[in-house]
Amino acid sequence: DAGVIQSPRHEVTEMGQEVTLRCKPISGHNSLFWYRQTMMRGLELLIYFNNNVPIDDSGMPEDRFSAKMPNASFSTLKIQPSEPRDSAVYFCASSLHSGEPQPQHFGDGTRLSIL
Amino acid sequence: SQQGEEDPQALSIQEGENATMNCSYKTSINNLQWYRQNSGRGLVHLILIRSNEREKHSGRLRVTLDTSKKSSSLLITASRAADTASYFCATPEGDNYGQNFVFGPGTRLSVLP
Repeated sequence: DAGVIQSPRHEVTEMGQEVTLRCKPISGHNSLFWYRQTMMRGLELLIYFNNNVPIDDSGMPEDRFSAKMPNASFSTLKIQPSEPRDSAVYFCASSLHSGEPQPQHFGDGTRLSIL
Repeated sequence: SQQGEEDPQALSIQEGENATMNCSYKTSINNLQWYRQNSGRGLVHLILIRSNEREKHSGRLRVTLDTSKKSSSLLITASRAADTASYFCATPEGDNYGQNFVFGPGTRLSVLP
């Protein structure tokens, strides 16, 4: 039973470059979340989608960040242009929004380093 | 926003001992969740407790919820080296019926063999 799949697992790039992170949620799940984790700020929600529609993007730090969910099985988080302070681990999670509390299922993250 | 705050920030125990972690939150909730994160991995859901429940068990895990004190605790009994991880509590954001959760800063548990 495949879990949430993220790619790449590691990304090292120079500042100013465009970075695209990818996520495949668990089949059948209708909610998808993008988080950023750093030592200083912990786990922060960037944006989440219900049924492919962005519901809350108030956590997106700047216009340099954008996220899309073109279909139920794929989402991207893009940073353009990237900056060293964007270095963090980015997680994608999915859940089944049913009106009842549900757990979130996390991928293993993308460790992003901006030089 | 509501945010769970775990206590202690770090905990070091010997294998076989029990580990207790606490979580405090600010406003009313309809459920609270605990997650574990092993080094270099994503968070893994451990247990969900609803506001009308006081205690819940799952294997060696016991979670309690005291809504009057706005606090929860996670007890791991007979700890093992494999329990070494960070543990997070998560509380709902906003109207409590959405899927958006706020995670606390976590407790780093080290179980020494």
